[in-house]
Formats: sequence, C-alpha cells, structure tokens
Amino acid sequence: DGGITQSPKYLFRKEGQNVTLSCEQNLNHDAMYWYRQDPGQGLRLIYYSQIVNDFQKGDIAEGYSVSREKKESFPLTVTSAQKNPTAFYLCASSIDWGNGYTFGSGTRLTVV
Amino acid sequence: KQEVTQIPAALSVPEGENLVLNCSFTDSAIYNLQWFRQDPGKGLTSLLLIQSSQREQTSGRLNASLDKSSGRSTLYIAASQPGDSATYLCAIKGNDMRFGAGTRLTVKP
Repeated sequence: DGGITQSPKYLFRKEGQNVTLSCEQNLNHDAMYWYRQDPGQGLRLIYYSQIVNDFQKGDIAEGYSVSREKKESFPLTVTSAQKNPTAFYLCASSIDWGNGYTFGSGTRLTVV
Repeated sequence: KQEVTQIPAALSVPEGENLVLNCSFTDSAIYNLQWFRQDPGKGLTSLLLIQSSQREQTSGRLNASLDKSSGRSTLYIAASQPGDSATYLCAIKGNDMRFGAGTRLTVKP
C-alpha cells in the first residue's frame, strides 16, 4: 500500500544535540511538507519542498534544516539552535502544489 | 494571510445524533479545502477534499460543503457513533496550507 512513513515514532533529545526525523513516501508525490503541532495549537509549517533538490522555509523554520535529495525522502533535522523542540512533528505530501495532502503518523520529540 | 477558524472548539453529543462542524476562512482565493480527522497521538487522516470549483463532497455518513463567497465550510456527520470521537481539522489550500485549531468531538454511547 502507498503511504507516508515517519520514523521513529518517539524520539528523545538531549540538550545541545541535533536529531533527524525521517519521512519517506511511496506515493510518487512531488511536494512534501513538515509541520509542527503543539498542544492546543494548530499545525505550523516548518519547511516544504515542491520538487527534488528544492525546498523553502515555512513560518517557523528557525532551528530546523531539511534536504530533498530524492523524491521519496524529506528528512528534518532539529538542531541545537531550536530552543523549544518538544512537540509532535508531522510530515505530509501531495501529488503537486495544488492538491490534497496525505499525512504520516507523526514523530513525538521530547527534550530530556 | 489566510486565517482559519473552527467553531465550536469542543462538542459532546449522544450517539445517533446528526451534527455539524463549522470552518470559516478569510481569503476566498483557494485551491481546495480538506477535512481531516486526528485521533490522540496520531497523524491526520483525510476525510474529504473539496476542490475550489466544487460545492460539496460526500463519503458515507460524511458530507462537506464549501461556500467560497461567504468563506465557510461545514462538515455534516450523520448518525454519529462513539468511533467518530476525535479531533476534526479543516485546512485551506491557497498560497500555502492553513489549518484550523480543530473541533474536539466526543460521541457518548
């Protein structure tokens, strides 16, 4: 079955550490997105990519980095510069920019 | 900048009741509107996608409408069941995708 796979499901980060969240899709979608979800708040866009080797900052890109070397993969790195990284991270994809989204199951990141 | 509002923030109904969830948005220049369901600690599951040129979409007990001129969408759930308990999010695709904060629905047996 086609879909989006996020891993790991739970991730713990120590202070000052960089961590990378994985997002893989086999839907042949061109566009991919990373969102952050905090309790009681809506989803906020971190980064998006409309095509391989291209990506753009979203509303809250500071302290995060991404790459898009393959169509299927859009990993997100949470750097030590992100001061409040504890949140639920969601990856999504769409066949192109103007179409509906498919979401992964999310990664919960906690700073310890 | 597109703003998306969902009312009510929470709703509790007895099983079997028909209900309506509301979503309003400020900019009518959109590609589509999408309704999602989110269970606690899970990702978002797409329920219905309404393209800009469409007025409504139906799937089983769910019906979603779109009125761009008034900046409103509704999600109608018929004959609600306890399994429908979840948070329902609407999302508007314009220059980017904007999400409402959601309506948390509880259906009591």
